[in-house]
Amino acid sequence: EVQLVQSGGGLVQPGGSLRLSCAASGFTFSSFEMNWIRQAPGKGPEWISYISSSGTSISYADSVRGRFTISRDNAKNSLFLQMSSLSAADTAVYYCARVLSRSLRYFHSWGQGTLVAVSS
Amino acid sequence: EIVLTQSPATLSLSPGERATLSCRASQSLNNYLAWYQQTPGQAPRLLIYDTSNRATGIPARFSGSGSGTDFTLTISSLEPEDFAVYYCQHRSSVPPYSFGQGTKLEFK
Repeated sequence: EVQLVQSGGGLVQPGGSLRLSCAASGFTFSSFEMNWIRQAPGKGPEWISYISSSGTSISYADSVRGRFTISRDNAKNSLFLQMSSLSAADTAVYYCARVLSRSLRYFHSWGQGTLVAVSS
Repeated sequence: EIVLTQSPATLSLSPGERATLSCRASQSLNNYLAWYQQTPGQAPRLLIYDTSNRATGIPARFSGSGSGTDFTLTISSLEPEDFAVYYCQHRSSVPPYSFGQGTKLEFK
């Protein structure tokens, strides 16, 4: 069974930093692209970052580019999101998500989500 | 970036009725469209991919159709557990990946 277990998150002050983690099991982690998706309260999902299976190709949404860094450790079956210069607009539930397959970039498996709240 | 517009924003129906949800794209999607279901406090669940393919374990009452810029999710006979928020999503060849703003399916 595919499992994505997230950790990190919480309350952070504006301008602060936070690191999210996503531990994968039940599949060959090194074979799949991974993504971070967030959902602000009462809003639809927003894709924010992608990393290829090898980690050599990375992409970000304009809303987080230059502030967030995605990475992965295939030896430890783990995905990370380092977030900095956080503002209230970054308040959301953050999900890690695995694609269905290399050619079918739909979000097949999701972590349980972790709330990031940016407030003073 | 492709913009996806879902309608209606809210759909009020009763169990047993047929639900028809719409997703319109700002440009042709080559059938690269998915539908997700989200219940409160849960992550979205993939229902349909590439316009009409049901994901593993999704009941046959869920079906997808459409082409070009207009797509539809149909639930043939609503069950109580189907009342949720539904999102469409386009899988472009490169990021960013767009989501619609959602349709809330509520009890009438």
